Amino acid sequence: AQTVTQSQPEMSVQEAETVTLSCTYDTSENNYYLFWYKQPPSRQMILVIRQEAYKQQNATENRFSVNFQKAAKSFSLKISDSQLGDTAMYFCAFMKGSGGGADGLTFGKGTHLIIQP
Amino acid sequence: KAGVTQTPRYLIKTRGQQVTLSCSPISGHRSVSWYQQTPGQGLQFLFEYFSETQRNKGNFPGRFSGRQFSNSRSEMNVSTLELGDSALYLCASSGNRGWDYGYTFGSGTRLTVV
Repeated sequence: AQTVTQSQPEMSVQEAETVTLSCTYDTSENNYYLFWYKQPPSRQMILVIRQEAYKQQNATENRFSVNFQKAAKSFSLKISDSQLGDTAMYFCAFMKGSGGGADGLTFGKGTHLIIQP
Repeated sequence: KAGVTQTPRYLIKTRGQQVTLSCSPISGHRSVSWYQQTPGQGLQFLFEYFSETQRNKGNFPGRFSGRQFSNSRSEMNVSTLELGDSALYLCASSGNRGWDYGYTFGSGTRLTVV
């Protein structure tokens, strides 16, 4: 079974600063996908960024980028020029790329990110 | 393009009752997954349906069941409700395999069991 660990329950930064959220995972799979989801108070989980394990290049989506270290099983999210609207719970998630994604998404416990004005 | 729609948004039930939650996926999406979110256990995978067939199942008791209709809409049923079933139930849809573009989630149904 896979496990996903987010070691920072809560983080707070000033608007416009850069912040990095940590995520480590444990798996024996070689083919898998990693995701960061954002859950604002509206409760809807929003996909922030996605990374294929077989790709060495780190994924980037506008102000969001990841640092994917496959050997270390680390998948951190960097948010540049943080904005008030980035305030939310952030979840790191893992999914096997084989067996039809048999276990669905495995989520970490989340990091509550607060952007201060 | 309409998103994933879950109904109802809130629900209060009594212990021992049963409940049915509904999820309408994004048009064209054939996969619907369900997750339970609680403060203690976090987000946990319940099951996934694809083309009316349960494709995957998480580690939940048989009281939790689901189905998917030919239009891809899905329902989740919980029988003999327990206090511990109080949670936010999230539905997510995807085109085929969830890793292709990631899942799109609905806003959830908040179930309170009293």
